[in-house]
Amino acid sequence: QSALTQPASVSGSPGQSITISCTGTSSDVGGYNYVSWYQQHPGKAPKLMIYDVSDRPSGVSNRFSGSKSGNTASLTISGLQAEDEADYYCSSYTSSSTRVFGGGTKLTVL
Amino acid sequence: EVQVVESGGGLVQPGGSLRLSCAASGFTFSSYAMSWVRQAPGKGLEWVSSVTNTGGGTYYADSVKGRCTISRDNSKNTLYLQMNSLRVEDTAVYYCAKFGSGSYLDYWGQGTLVTVSS
Repeated sequence: QSALTQPASVSGSPGQSITISCTGTSSDVGGYNYVSWYQQHPGKAPKLMIYDVSDRPSGVSNRFSGSKSGNTASLTISGLQAEDEADYYCSSYTSSSTRVFGGGTKLTVL
Repeated sequence: EVQVVESGGGLVQPGGSLRLSCAASGFTFSSYAMSWVRQAPGKGLEWVSSVTNTGGGTYYADSVKGRCTISRDNSKNTLYLQMNSLRVEDTAVYYCAKFGSGSYLDYWGQGTLVTVSS
């Protein structure tokens, strides 16, 4: 049950787009379309942003989008805003019927 | 409004036990799988355990297998996590979360802090 691999940090200026990658294996990310992404502000509970690779829950801005290629999933945030500054985590279902999270990525809006 | 509220955290000595509870409301509790996720201070999220809607299927991270037991009481709309043989490295905020219709967690509680220290 190794954690999925995410960059420790990414940054961008307001209005720009950024992409966060999430790399796993064929036993998790690559094997299922069950990747989800969560946003967490300091001291707060995580919030679901993307599920099933690319679907958005109601109420989540369409500036957030997800995709997957092989064993790597990606979260793209377009039109960066100050309130997007947070930690982002990917998660995947695994072949053992368990779940695994990525190590998290700190997004800084410059 | 969907709500999940954790309780039961606190300070416990290494080797001790603790039982966390999660009270759910605002949805048909017996229809959804549930999960516990933890976050050590300053660290990332770690999936701990999940249980199917009926309680018939339970799943654990290797880090807690054999020491933790997840269960639910659908008549009380409550999820539990019994933690035994606690270690210093189990210190974390423990979140209760509801699964959506698929393999994702759509509602999270505010967490309960478990501190394992002598």
